[in-house]
Amino acid sequence: DGGITQSPKYLFRKEGQNVTLSCEQNLNHDAMYWYRQDPGQGLRLIYYSQIVNDFQKGDIAEGYSVSREKKESFPLTVTSAQKNPTAFYLCASSPGYEAFFGQGTRLTVV
Amino acid sequence: AQSVTQLDSQVPVFEEAPVELRCNYSSSVSVYLFWYVQYPNQGLQLLLKYLSGSTLVKGINGFEAEFNKSQTSFHLRKPSVHISDTAEYFCAVSEDNFNKIYFGSGTKLNVKP
Repeated sequence: DGGITQSPKYLFRKEGQNVTLSCEQNLNHDAMYWYRQDPGQGLRLIYYSQIVNDFQKGDIAEGYSVSREKKESFPLTVTSAQKNPTAFYLCASSPGYEAFFGQGTRLTVV
Repeated sequence: AQSVTQLDSQVPVFEEAPVELRCNYSSSVSVYLFWYVQYPNQGLQLLLKYLSGSTLVKGINGFEAEFNKSQTSFHLRKPSVHISDTAEYFCAVSEDNFNKIYFGSGTKLNVKP
């Protein structure tokens, strides 16, 4: 089935540790996005990539890093520099006129 | 940069009543407009989109929205809601280069029996 797969669905991290969230798509979309969702704040853009080996910071990139080595994959690393990482993270991809979303990863810092 | 305003954070409504969820955006340049629905702990599902053409857009599950360029609005409507419509709804806007998608803060629709 075509779609966007985010893994894992739930993730727990100890303070001070880096953690990587996976996002894979088999829709052959050029563009991919990472959003963070907090209650009452909607979706805020962390990073986006329009093409392989290129990506741009979104509105809240501090404490996060990404890579885009393959068209299908856009992993997000939450570093220890992110002060408040507990949130729901959504990955999306786009063919240029509409965004398709994964099911999200809920990250909890313990 | 665009900003998207959803004035109502929560909308309670009785089953079979009509509902309107409001969305306004900031820029009058050429835009694409979207409504997404999110059920708890899930991703976003596209309800409908406006890219061009008719300003009245019909989507899934009986929803529709009207693009009003002069008022920079894209309100979502349904003539008769069902319990299963209980969810959070997000309005989104993209400029026509589609580099970024801007989301509103969401409206929680609570349909009561």
